[in-house]
Amino acid sequence: QQQVKQSPQSLIVQKGGISIINCAYENTAFDYFPWYQQFPGKGPALLIAIRPDVSEKKEGRFTISFNKSAKQFSLHIMDSQPGDSATYFCAASWPGYALNFGKGTSLLVTP
Amino acid sequence: DVKVTQSSRYLVKRTGEKVFLECVQDMDHENMFWYRQDPGLGLRLIYFSYDVKMKEKGDIPEGYSVSREKKERFSLILESASTNQTSMYLCASSPGGQEGGHFGDGTRLSIL
Repeated sequence: QQQVKQSPQSLIVQKGGISIINCAYENTAFDYFPWYQQFPGKGPALLIAIRPDVSEKKEGRFTISFNKSAKQFSLHIMDSQPGDSATYFCAASWPGYALNFGKGTSLLVTP
Repeated sequence: DVKVTQSSRYLVKRTGEKVFLECVQDMDHENMFWYRQDPGLGLRLIYFSYDVKMKEKGDIPEGYSVSREKKERFSLILESASTNQTSMYLCASSPGGQEGGHFGDGTRLSIL
């Protein structure tokens, strides 16, 4: 059973636009919610992460919004650039445990 | 920077062969993980290890085993390779008690 559900599967955004990727989880024991970015031929790399005691975390152009009551979290990429074109994975885990990943979103930012 | 090195980028094997995928990390991390990545399915956990000689099954352990004789090395073993094990295999490590993971660049394994 998929522990973390991610949408959309693919996304096309114009340069300068906002990219939004959504994830939902079931298990309320999850307490760590990271986003990973993966370029072709490379392994996933940690982009940004949040814990459930805050509702938002921002690092540069990347923001995680977290809604504990709805069991949802999302990644916002502001001022999207062609270099942001990659596959993005959300994930969730219990304390000190392995990550449960979403199925990924392929983002294409057009010039 | 943490470096997770997977011994092969590409590997081609035949059905029935015993296949070894090797992973080494250089940051003295306690935790190590093996995932497989398939299009449309994301990353699925095969096995993980919290310490030397310790192993735990993940979500899809069938057909796989692991070995961790040294802290820095975590091996994934396909006991008798089958075509449905054709996939990208990703190794990751993380410090003890901390979530997340630093990933290697993967081994693309083809079973013919």
